[in-house]
Amino acid sequence: NAGVMQNPRHLVRRRGQEARLRCSPMKGHSHVYWYRQLPEEGLKFMVYLQKENIIDESGMPKERFSAEFPKEGPSILRIQQVVRGDSAAYFCASSRGMDGEAFFGQGTRLTVV
Amino acid sequence: AQSVTQLGSHVSVSEGALVLLRCNYSSSVPPYLFWYVQYPNQGLQLLLKYTSAATLVKGINGFEAEFKKSETSFHLTKPSAHMSDAAEYFCAVTTSGTYKYIFGTGTRLKVLA
Repeated sequence: NAGVMQNPRHLVRRRGQEARLRCSPMKGHSHVYWYRQLPEEGLKFMVYLQKENIIDESGMPKERFSAEFPKEGPSILRIQQVVRGDSAAYFCASSRGMDGEAFFGQGTRLTVV
Repeated sequence: AQSVTQLGSHVSVSEGALVLLRCNYSSSVPPYLFWYVQYPNQGLQLLLKYTSAATLVKGINGFEAEFKKSETSFHLTKPSAHMSDAAEYFCAVTTSGTYKYIFGTGTRLKVLA
């Protein structure tokens, strides 16, 4: 049973470009969470999704950031017009139920140059 | 509201010495507590978790943690440090029926030969 898969592992974008981060949850998991880890900080919750629904996006920046989890395919975290401050590690986690144990992927390290 | 405080952003121990990483939490309801380890450029790996069963929790790689309600603590220990334990360690809290993990800022463990 493969774990949570994130790709790409490393992503470099120039300022103003778009970044798309993908997350495939573990088999049987329909709950996906995105966390961001800024340098020298802990992980911060961004958004919680179930298939085709955003349940809680209270941790998402108000502009430029969006997330989706379509019926088919991976969850996508999209950052438009990236800025240097978006450079961080973005982790995806999945769980079977809302209060089930969350399993984390290896993260996508975004560098904005 | 919940919070986690990890005392000591950097801890150094000699190989073979006791490892003690401190975590204090704040929660108005019974918490679930976790310790994760992150190796360089890797994702989070669950070391152990407390979910209201035994207060002394044993995890992988010889680590254990004790939940002390009176002290609101969940410190991580290992009797004898190994070079391979060098990593960053995160304490996290959540509660039953919720999905947001609140992470501490992490403690970077260095093991000296």
